[in-house]
Amino acid sequence: DTEVTQTPKHLVMGMTNKKSLKCEQHMGHRAMYWYKQKAKKPPELMFVYSYEKLSINESVPSRFSPECPNSSLLNLHLHALQPEDSALYLCASSQDWTSGGETQYFGPGTRLLVL
Amino acid sequence: AQSVTQLGSHVSVSEGALVLLRCNYSSSVPPYLFWYVQYPNQGLQLLLKYTSAATLVKGINGFEAEFKKSETSFHLTKPSAHMSDAAEYFCAVSDRSGGYNKLIFGAGTRLAVHP
Repeated sequence: DTEVTQTPKHLVMGMTNKKSLKCEQHMGHRAMYWYKQKAKKPPELMFVYSYEKLSINESVPSRFSPECPNSSLLNLHLHALQPEDSALYLCASSQDWTSGGETQYFGPGTRLLVL
Repeated sequence: AQSVTQLGSHVSVSEGALVLLRCNYSSSVPPYLFWYVQYPNQGLQLLLKYTSAATLVKGINGFEAEFKKSETSFHLTKPSAHMSDAAEYFCAVSDRSGGYNKLIFGAGTRLAVHP
């Protein structure tokens, strides 16, 4: 099973709202990622968790707050977002973070619209 | 730093025709290379990856790619296009220069298949 699940599929929120995106994998992977993808662009890395600890923050604004409650679950908490944050948010996981050639498995994404 | 260039943001082929999507990489070390496909409103799915075991890599859905070190290329091909192949295709290289495994994506190529 190489499935990464994400909920919700779609999310509409106002700029004053607080919402959360959820990602789950049961492949025993120890690295999990959040990406942001704008239309007609490749995914951009936001955060990397390795063994449940934040390893990489690609200078993401603090209105995005990641959380890794356990090795299977990854959340992205959203607060006071801007309309330009509207995008497809992708979660991915891989066996490891430090080894080269590790395949990252992607979820279907959450399409976020900020009004 | 490693990088990926995908030549041609749009490629259009007839159903049954050869598919050729071009990818050139820049890497100071032997690279790990990936091709991902993204269907409309979905996440990324791994088509195939190169990890130096063999220069001709076979993937899912009839796709294959050949690693050519002399040309720094990893072009994706499929002998006969199907309508269902219409999607966005991303080439990616695993960048280990920071001591960790980060995927660097090309800009993507949108494949259209017409009857």
